[in-house]
Amino acid sequence: AQTVTQSQPEMSVQEAETVTLSCTYDTSESNYYLFWYKQPPSRQMILVIRQEAYKQQNATENRFSVNFQKAAKSFSLKISDSQLGDTAMYFCAFMKPPGNQFYFGTGTSLTVIP
Amino acid sequence: SQTIHQWPATLVQPVGSPLSLECTVEGTSNPNLYWYRQAAGRGLQLLFYSVGIGQISSEVPQNLSASRPQDRQFILSSKKLLLSDSGFYLCAYQQGTNEKLFFGSGTQLSVL
Repeated sequence: AQTVTQSQPEMSVQEAETVTLSCTYDTSESNYYLFWYKQPPSRQMILVIRQEAYKQQNATENRFSVNFQKAAKSFSLKISDSQLGDTAMYFCAFMKPPGNQFYFGTGTSLTVIP
Repeated sequence: SQTIHQWPATLVQPVGSPLSLECTVEGTSNPNLYWYRQAAGRGLQLLFYSVGIGQISSEVPQNLSASRPQDRQFILSSKKLLLSDSGFYLCAYQQGTNEKLFFGSGTQLSVL
């Protein structure tokens, strides 16, 4: 199984500020996909952002962007202009084709402080 | 539109009892299907995934099993539950290669 590591169990950020969540992974594959998922208190898993490993350009989705460093096997998530609704558990995930197994990290609990 | 149904939402079972959790997907065909377990305060552990009817791959050896009797139905079972089987179980599907996972609403299982 692939290893996905999130070294920050808990983080907090002031509303309207910027926060970065870290994720590293271990793989010998060259073709793979990376994801960030959000799990609010409702526990429904929601996709935040997706990155293809063959693309050098970092993915962005409104206030969410990633810093993908393939050589370093690092995939951090930056949340700009943090909102109270961003309070959730955030999971980094790795997917390896063609079997398409998804492997998740242990999560970072983010609290946005008003 | 595509939807995923997972039930029950909450389940309390005694140790040694059987288990059957069901997941169905609508609005798509031949999806990849997944079962994950999330222990309290921990990440998601991949238990089983399936790329087709009758095709099940197990990631973690345990007393759980999975079956896919129909294209859009995925069942998680156990003959005898253990205390360590407690957790939040999530079913998910993926439509098409390299696409994101869509998750069900989860089942909170408490084994007492």
